Amino acid sequence: SQQGEEDPQALSIQEGENATMNCSYKTSINNLQWYRQNSGRGLVHLILIRSNEREKHSGRLRVTLDTSKKSSSLLITASRAADTASYFCASFSGGYNKLIFGAGTRLAVHP
Amino acid sequence: EPEVTQTPSHQVTQMGQEVILRCVPISNHLYFYWYRQILGQKVEFLVSFYNNEISEKSEIFDDQFSVERPDGSNFTLKIRSTKLEDSAMYFCASSSSPASGEQFFGPGTRLTVL
Repeated sequence: SQQGEEDPQALSIQEGENATMNCSYKTSINNLQWYRQNSGRGLVHLILIRSNEREKHSGRLRVTLDTSKKSSSLLITASRAADTASYFCASFSGGYNKLIFGAGTRLAVHP
Repeated sequence: EPEVTQTPSHQVTQMGQEVILRCVPISNHLYFYWYRQILGQKVEFLVSFYNNEISEKSEIFDDQFSVERPDGSNFTLKIRSTKLEDSAMYFCASSSSPASGEQFFGPGTRLTVL
């Protein structure tokens, strides 16, 4: 089964606007993580939210987790052109070894 | 800030050739991983490694693949006989504690098989 499916697939906004990306998953999780990937580059860990948490903040990032709906959202407030990247949710499948990534949301922030 | 490094950044090889991708994990980390991302597709788990043993591997990680920690700092992924479909970005990651949930990723090696 797929673990971590983001929507929208692509999002285009103006600088200063907020960007919201959603992730749904199918199996039980211990935690859910969000990563950023600049074009052709490595994955940068943004934030981790545990299954007993509902909301978490880090700077301009806000992540929510709804385990009853098996969904999470990532909100980037006051977006900047430098936020342009792909954003992936990821969670562990059966233990703490294998991270399963979603297909990602491509965010474009226009100056 | 400590980071995972990978070499080379780009490797071009002929089909059937062996390649070795190298990674230097963060120095106090004991858990190591390889993932790959075919262009335009999801990041996929390949293998996890701890205490000089594979702890988990995916279906992708067949007999053509092997991993090794040849010394105290390097972690390598070897593909014995590359195929066209092995062309992808390969990411190494390391972790100090899997239960923390956080894996630190390197910048990746882009492998192109011709």
